[in-house]
Amino acid sequence: GAVVSQHPSWVICKSGTSVKIECRSLDFQATTMFWYRQFPKQSLMLMATSNEGSKATYEQGVEKDKFLINHASLTLSTLTVTSAHPEDSSFYICSAARTGSLSNEKLFFGSGTQLSVL
Amino acid sequence: DAKTTQPNSMESNEEEPVHLPCNHSTISGTDYIHWYRQLPSQGPEYVIHGLTSNVNNRMASLAIAEDRKSSTLILHRATLRDAAVYYCILRTRAGNEKLTFGTGTRLTIIP
Repeated sequence: GAVVSQHPSWVICKSGTSVKIECRSLDFQATTMFWYRQFPKQSLMLMATSNEGSKATYEQGVEKDKFLINHASLTLSTLTVTSAHPEDSSFYICSAARTGSLSNEKLFFGSGTQLSVL
Repeated sequence: DAKTTQPNSMESNEEEPVHLPCNHSTISGTDYIHWYRQLPSQGPEYVIHGLTSNVNNRMASLAIAEDRKSSTLILHRATLRDAAVYYCILRTRAGNEKLTFGTGTRLTIIP
C-alpha cells in the first residue's frame, strides 16, 4: 500500500534553533499535503495545507513565518519550525493525498515527529 | 465542515465485538463517512469509509443508518492492538480537501 515517510521521528533542540521535518510520499504523487500538530491527549489540529509549486495555506492562528512549509516536488513537503521555543514542543504529523484523489479515497499519514524544545 | 460527535471513551473486553458510534446529523448528500484510528505515538491510519451502504473490510465493518445521520464502526473481535483513538470524519466531494479531526473515541481493551 501507499506509504508516507516522515523524518525525523523525534528531535530535541535548543530554544532558538530551527528544525526541519520532511514528509515524503514513497510510491505515489501527492499534489497536496497537510501538516498537523497534536498536543498530549488532544486531537490533531490542522496547521496548513501544502500544495506543490505554490504557497501553503495556513489555518487561522498559525504563524506562517514561524512554520515554514515548502512543497517543491510531488513527493516531498517540508515543515521548518523556526526559532523554536518550548511551547512549540509537540507531535507533528503530515498527511498526503494522492494526486487526483476523490473524497472516497483515503489519506495517508506519516508516523509523526515528536519535537522537544529545551 | 459538517461535524461529527463521538463518545470520548469506551471500553471493551478482549475478543469481544466493539461498536463505536458516530453522529453526523448535518451530513450532506455527497459527504463520505471516513474512519481513522491513531495508535499511541503514531500517525492516524485509515480504517474504513462509506457513503450509503454498509461496508466491510479486513479491519472492520461500517454500518450506516438509513438517513445517514449516524454510523457505527464495528470491530468484530477486539484485540489489545485495537486500543487506539478512533476518529469519525466526513469528507466532501473534493479529494484534496483537508481532514478535520474531532475529539474521537479513546478505545480501551481490557485483557
